[in-house]
Amino acid sequence: DAGVTQSPTHLIKTRGQQVTLRCSPKSGHDTVSWYQQALGQGPQFIFQYYEEEERQRGNFPDRFSGHQFPNYSSELNVNALLLGDSALYLCASSLYRGLRNEKLFFGSGTQLSVL
Amino acid sequence: QKEVEQDPGPLSVPEGAIVSLNCTYSNSAFQYFMWYRQYSRKGPELLMYTYSSGNKEDGRFTAQVDKSSKYISLFIRDSQPSDSATYLCGGSEKLVFGKGMKLTVNP
Repeated sequence: DAGVTQSPTHLIKTRGQQVTLRCSPKSGHDTVSWYQQALGQGPQFIFQYYEEEERQRGNFPDRFSGHQFPNYSSELNVNALLLGDSALYLCASSLYRGLRNEKLFFGSGTQLSVL
Repeated sequence: QKEVEQDPGPLSVPEGAIVSLNCTYSNSAFQYFMWYRQYSRKGPELLMYTYSSGNKEDGRFTAQVDKSSKYISLFIRDSQPSDSATYLCGGSEKLVFGKGMKLTVNP
């Protein structure tokens, strides 16, 4: 049973560019949440997708957008990259339980470096 | 004020020690709390998921919630070097985590 898979594992971009990160949830899961984790910090919640709609959103600007596909996989898009966007981007999948958000399963992340 | 606050440590203990990890939260609406463990360069993995107040035990791990003081704790008994990792506490409803506490268990 494959867990949460994220691609790519590493990415280098230049300031001002756009990036797309991808996530395939654990088998049987229908909900995907995205996090940004800067070095030495805890994960910061970006948004959550269920039934192809954004259900919850953290305190991130509109440059951060996402999408969920009918097969539950998801993409995170970041436009107009800033140096401060350099971080580990984590995807977590779960079964939808409303606000309970029970038992997140995380992928190993995509390390994004913005130069 | 962040919704979940956690002392980032680091914390270093000898093998076999009892470890106490603590967090506070500010959102009174939180009823579900979570503890995750994160090894270096890996994604976090779920340790404990608790509801409301009281204790929950799983092997060497005990999670405790005190809603009156908005305090959540994780206790690790008979700590092992393999427990060396960063521990994250969080409020489940808002999917928010603290900064993480880096724990080192020395053989």
